[in-house]
Amino acid sequence: AQKVTQAQTEISVVEKEDVTLDCVYETRDTTYYLFWYKQPPSGELVFLIRRNSFDEQNEISGRYSWNFQKSTSSFNFTITASQVVDSAVYFCALGNRDDKIIFGKGTRLHILP
Amino acid sequence: EAGVVQSPRYKIIEKKQPVAFWCNPISGHNTLYWYRQNLGQGPELLIRYENEEAVDDSQLPKDRFSAERLKGVDSTLKIQPAELGDSAVYLCASIRGGAGANVLTFGAGSRLTVL
Repeated sequence: AQKVTQAQTEISVVEKEDVTLDCVYETRDTTYYLFWYKQPPSGELVFLIRRNSFDEQNEISGRYSWNFQKSTSSFNFTITASQVVDSAVYFCALGNRDDKIIFGKGTRLHILP
Repeated sequence: EAGVVQSPRYKIIEKKQPVAFWCNPISGHNTLYWYRQNLGQGPELLIRYENEEAVDDSQLPKDRFSAERLKGVDSTLKIQPAELGDSAVYLCASIRGGAGANVLTFGAGSRLTVL
């Protein structure tokens, strides 16, 4: 069975601080896909990144970076030098080869000015 | 390219009334999903279609929920009768499908309030 755990329900940091959002997943599949989505106050889910299970390279995109570690079944997301516009709910998701995609409960991030 | 279109955006009904939500996916996307998002929670998968076929409806409460995707394009999700606990945002998403590497594109959602 697939499962995604985002243990941090809510995080508050002051602007310009770095913050890491944790994601732990469970799956029996050898081929799977991991995603992060952002849900700003407007409500629409926005795709941020996708990784497949064979690619453990970390990725950096501007102030965003992702750390994928199969050994600990984790796919953590770090925002460097956070900004108020980063305030949102962030969801980690897990998909399999059959396109079944499930989500974690999300982490609500508050960036305080 | 138009995104995933959902309607209505908001619906307020009394309990025991029926309600229906409509979704038009991105053109060419053969796989369509309905998720339910309760307040403060992540999206929960209700049903997934590949073309006209419901390939995963294990989480759909079949006593009161039904869905259809005639002709493999638009889809409708119905609740009859609605209960107070059905208040949530109903999200539709679509992908082109195949091999599991695809990124979901979500609609804006239909927010249901049951009084």
